This record gives sequence, C-alpha cells and structure tokens, in this order.
Amino acid sequence: EIVLTQSPGTLSLSPGERATLSCRASQSVSSSYLAWYQQKPGQAPRILIYGASSRATGIPDRFSGSGSGTDFTLTISRLEPEDFAVYYCQQYGGSPYTFGQGTKLEIK
Amino acid sequence: QVQLVESGGGVVQPGRSLRLSCAASGFTFSNYGMHWVRQAPGKGLEWVAVISYDGINKYYADSVKGRFTISRDNSKNTLYLQMNSLRAEDTAVYYCAKDSYYYDSSGYYPSYYYYYMDVWGKGTTVTVSS
Repeated sequence: EIVLTQSPGTLSLSPGERATLSCRASQSVSSSYLAWYQQKPGQAPRILIYGASSRATGIPDRFSGSGSGTDFTLTISRLEPEDFAVYYCQQYGGSPYTFGQGTKLEIK
Repeated sequence: QVQLVESGGGVVQPGRSLRLSCAASGFTFSNYGMHWVRQAPGKGLEWVAVISYDGINKYYADSVKGRFTISRDNSKNTLYLQMNSLRAEDTAVYYCAKDSYYYDSSGYYPSYYYYYMDVWGKGTTVTVSS
C-alpha cells in the first residue's frame, strides 16, 4: 500500500500570498497518477489536479501541480478568499487508492 | 448535468447491516467505474471500494474487505454498497464518486483501469451506535 504524507498539516496564509502544499509517497507513484482535491466544510471534495500537473475542467490557473515519483506539490499562486479549505492528494496508480491525511489552508 | 445522489444512510447498531445506494444521472453510467469513499467525523478521506464499468472487477480497502460489497445495476444507473457486520469505526459520511476513465462500449480493454474521481455526490451519513 502506498502511504501519502501531506505537509504541513495546517498552513496559515493571507489572501494574495502564495501557498505551497506537499505530498510525499512511501513508494513511487506509477505514471504520476497523483490527484489533488479541494474540500470545503460541509461539501464533497472537488477535483483540482490530475496526472500530477493537469488542471481539471474549470479550475483557475492559479492552481498548479508538479512533481513525480514520490514528491508532489500543489501550488496556489495568489490566494483568493474562496481557496481556504482542506486539500487532499490521492494516488490512483493501484489499489488501494489511498489519500493523504490532508492540509488545512486557513486564513492568517 | 452530471449528478450523483447517495441514499440509505442512517443510525444502525453494531453488527447490523445497511445498504447504501447512489443514483447516477447526466452521463452514461455503464461506461465508467465507480468508487465509494468515506469520511469519519472530523477526519480525512478514506477510499473504500471501486467497481469496474461492467461490475466484474472490484477492489476493497483492507478495513472493509470481507464485510462490505460493492455492486452496480447498469439498467438502473445505480451503485450500491452493502455493509455487513458494521462497527463503530464505520461511522462516516459515505460518498460515491465517478471514475474519470471512459470505456467505449465498442472498444476492447484487456485490463481494467481506474483513474481520478471527477464527480462526487453530496454524501450520506452512516452512524454505527448502540
């Protein structure tokens, strides 16, 4: 089983700042099958990034993903008020399709 | 529009059973694999199970293997999760989610592929308590 470890657990930033979220895998994620989801309180998750770096339909270009192998990063270039949420990475290279424990992005 | 609506959640005693349903609309259900994902109160997301577009291939998380069964009825555009021998630690919001990999009905696929989840339902709450 691939274990995904996200850091930091909580990130406190202000609107307009840049956010960098990390996801580290316990073993290499095949074909960069790594996705990022955003979840706001009381809502279902929403896909942001797939294939480590491809933005899903309708996702603003301030969201970008990078990385390969075991180290992946989600970057939000300039934070908007609606970006404060919890972010999860997930690998879909093979079962079980594990999630990271999440990074909470909160307003400073 | 593409929509998934879960139902069947509720309060159940430990050791009992419950069946969740997920009604799909707005896309050709039989062309996609489907997942169940759960979220315990105040916790992160946990992948539970996946089923192939044709219902033949299934995978489960170790935490539910042997107790939960995923199935689907393509004639009814509905996904199911049969949950037996429920435990307190199964208490969670259960989401169904559509896999993004498209299977062409006329295509030949030597294997099953599962990708990211591109559409999610709003979830149904299961509480296991005496």
